[in-house]
Amino acid sequence: DSGVTQTPKHLITATGQRVTLRCSPRSGDLSVYWYQQSLDQGLQFLIQYYNGEERAKGNILERFSAQQFPDLHSELNLSSLELGDSALYFCASSVTLAGGPWGDTQYFGPGTRLTVL
Amino acid sequence: GENVEQHPSTLSVQEGDSAVIKCTYSDSASNYFPWYKQELGKGPQLIIDIRSNVGEKKDQRIAVTLNKTAKHFSLHITETQPEDSAVYFCAARREKTGANNLFFGTGTRLTVIP
Repeated sequence: DSGVTQTPKHLITATGQRVTLRCSPRSGDLSVYWYQQSLDQGLQFLIQYYNGEERAKGNILERFSAQQFPDLHSELNLSSLELGDSALYFCASSVTLAGGPWGDTQYFGPGTRLTVL
Repeated sequence: GENVEQHPSTLSVQEGDSAVIKCTYSDSASNYFPWYKQELGKGPQLIIDIRSNVGEKKDQRIAVTLNKTAKHFSLHITETQPEDSAVYFCAARREKTGANNLFFGTGTRLTVIP
């Protein structure tokens, strides 16, 4: 158990709908990362938050957005869903933005499996 | 941006044999290289990592080697056991202000045959 929790575990919805995925980082971790894992794309970085502020963006669609709240949990909002959005969505957390000269370890949650029908 | 390639995509070995998975990266400024193991229905779990100031790191049956000149790094698992069966991902990261995200390879499905 990594200490990172994600809810829900499974989500089934229809095209055009909007969903919210939730992540609680490990106790003490300030950075949260969202990754998408699909069969043909592997693990793709979406977005990173540090202590409530957006820090880096990857291949995140405009239909997707995220935020990190004062209690450090994060939510990933996916809207106008398409069939191609079906994937596993992982949240990871780390202690700091970049601890020391080498950064720090990212711990992954169990993921949310999103199925868009 | 960084591009990480991983080979092979699938690997089957007999229990007790060794397994080697190789990755190459494109960004010479990358300086942190973790390996993750993902079991069915679970999130990726860090098993070992290496930073660019060392060429090799070992933890029991698992070792990682890094060749900065050639921009490739490898995972070595010795005396494989059935519980080693999983998907393994390599990743690379370049330290830069404000961003800490990982770039992943496409994964290797390792099957250890009892």
